[in-house]
Amino acid sequence: AQSVTQPDIHITVSEGASLELRCNYSYGATPYLFWYVQSPGQGLQLLLKYFSGDTLVQGIKGFEAEFKRSQSSFNLRKPSVHWSDAAEYFCAVGAVTGGGNKLTFGTGTQLKVEL
Amino acid sequence: DAGVIQSPRHEVTEMGQEVTLRCKPISGHNSLFWYRQTMMRGLELLIYFNNNVPIDDSGMPEDRFSAKMPNASFSTLKIQPSEPRDSAVYFCASRGPTGGGNTIYFGEGSWLTVV
Repeated sequence: AQSVTQPDIHITVSEGASLELRCNYSYGATPYLFWYVQSPGQGLQLLLKYFSGDTLVQGIKGFEAEFKRSQSSFNLRKPSVHWSDAAEYFCAVGAVTGGGNKLTFGTGTQLKVEL
Repeated sequence: DAGVIQSPRHEVTEMGQEVTLRCKPISGHNSLFWYRQTMMRGLELLIYFNNNVPIDDSGMPEDRFSAKMPNASFSTLKIQPSEPRDSAVYFCASRGPTGGGNTIYFGEGSWLTVV
């Protein structure tokens, strides 16, 4: 079974600083990998996804992530954080099983941005 | 385009009452997912459907929970009888028919409080 680990529960960065959120996955084949963001009281919005091709993927809001198979990682990065980026971020791995595709989520990383 | 639509957005109910959560997936999507989010357990997949057929309900916590998808545009998640530990945010999500890497789109959630 697949699993996702987000080792950082909380991260605080200053506005304008760079950001890296860590994600490690466990999956027996080539994974489908996703990053979602959740603002308070809202649903989950997709930031970016990887399922083949270039291992560096670009997403919305200036985010990018790099798939590193050797490290089983899919870390999310942003060069300069804005106060509006404060939210909870979820990494997820997708498995194609039984005619469907179900996502397994990490426990999330809460990002706080200091002005 | 309309996204995944869930109702009710918020519900407060008394222990022992029946709760029915509703979901309308994005038109044309053929996979539907019910997730539960709590502080303690994070995001958990409860059940998912493909072409209206339940594929994996291993995440359904117990017999008090049931889910149906009578047609491609409607699904329900029912809790009977409800208990305080069922208090959580319940998300419905849907995915289109092509490819395992297709994005899963989430609704804004149904915030359930059982007192």
